[in-house]
Order: sequence, then C-alpha cells, then structure tokens
Amino acid sequence: ETGVTQSPTHLIKTRGQQVTLRCSSQSGHNTVSWYQQALGQGPQFIFQYYREEENGRGNFPPRFSGLQFPNYSSELNVNALELDDSALYLCASSSGQQETQYFGPGTRLLVL
Amino acid sequence: DQQVKQNSPSLSVQEGRISILNCDYTNSMFDYFLWYKKYPAEGPTFLISISSIKDKNEDGRFTVFLNKSAKHLSLHIVPSQPGDSAVYFCAASAYSQGAQKLVFGQGTRLTINP
Repeated sequence: ETGVTQSPTHLIKTRGQQVTLRCSSQSGHNTVSWYQQALGQGPQFIFQYYREEENGRGNFPPRFSGLQFPNYSSELNVNALELDDSALYLCASSSGQQETQYFGPGTRLLVL
Repeated sequence: DQQVKQNSPSLSVQEGRISILNCDYTNSMFDYFLWYKKYPAEGPTFLISISSIKDKNEDGRFTVFLNKSAKHLSLHIVPSQPGDSAVYFCAASAYSQGAQKLVFGQGTRLTINP
C-alpha cells in the first residue's frame, strides 16, 4: 500500500511569486486535505477536496486555491506569495467520511 | 482562539517509565480525537484515536483517555522507549461546511532519556 507522497520536498520563492505544491493520496483514499504548519505551531487546516470539489475551507484567503484530479491526487496553489507563507505544507488523505487522516512528508516553502 | 491546547511544550521522561501527554479542548462539537507523532523532516504519523462516545482506547503501549466533562484527553505511553522521542500533536475532529477538519494543538516535545 502506497502512502501519501508530496512534491517537491523543499522550495524557495520570492515575495509576489506563485507556487504549486502536489500531493498523491494513499491508495484507496478519495479525500485530500491541506494544512499549513508554521514553525513551532500545530498544523492549520487550509481546505479539503472530495470528489474533485472543495468542500470546506479554513481561515485562509482566496489566493490559496486547490484542485483535485480524477485519480484523487491534488494540488495546492498559492498566488502573490507573502513572507508569512513560509511554512511546512502538509497534505493528508482519508477515505470518505473516515475521521483518520494520514499525512505526507510535507513541502517546506521558504518565501524571501 | 485556540480550540485545542497542549500546555506543556516539552516533557522529559526516563526510559521504561510512563509518559503522559495532555491536551485540553474548548469546543463541545468535537466528536473524534487523535494523537499524531512527528519526527523532524517527516509528516505527522497517526498513533491512536478515540471517539467522543468512549473514555478509553488502548493500542499496545499507547492508551488514550478522554474526559468529556473536563474537555481533556491524555496519551499514556508505557513503557517509554528512546524511539518515542518526537513531537506529539493532539488533534480534534469536527465537521464544518461539509468538511471533516482536524484542529491541532501546538505540540509537546517528548524526550526519552536512557
């Protein structure tokens, strides 16, 4: 059984640029959630995708957007990057309404 | 508004003894609670969970206790092993706007001393 994978592992961008992060869900999982983890904090919910549609969003501005593809993989896009967007971005997958989410290794984004 | 709190940023325990990690929450709508363990440069790894209709769940060396009236849960690890040294996150699950989202605490860094 393949676990959750994310790419790239690290990324450096400058303020104002755009970034796309990718996630492949665990085999058999159709729901993908994205979280942002700032240094020294717990992960914060960005949004969740189920059946290729966003079905819930945390307290993040519209410049954070996403997609889910028919194979359940997902992308997180962030436009107009700000310094405070520097964080670890985590993708988690789950099976429908199951409560347990399984996380990938994350993408560490640094905005200069 | 921190709905899930882990008030101890760090905890040091001797190998073989019991480790007890604590977590408090404020939202009565949370219906499922999870503990994750995180090593540096890795994503959180699921450890154990508990439904709000139970007060205890055990899996090997790990036991989670839930006290709904106090809005408190704890993770017991016994006996503690050096490989248990990591950051532990408590998370609470709630459905909001059609999504099942996890709300995390700030984490507790557990160090197991030989």
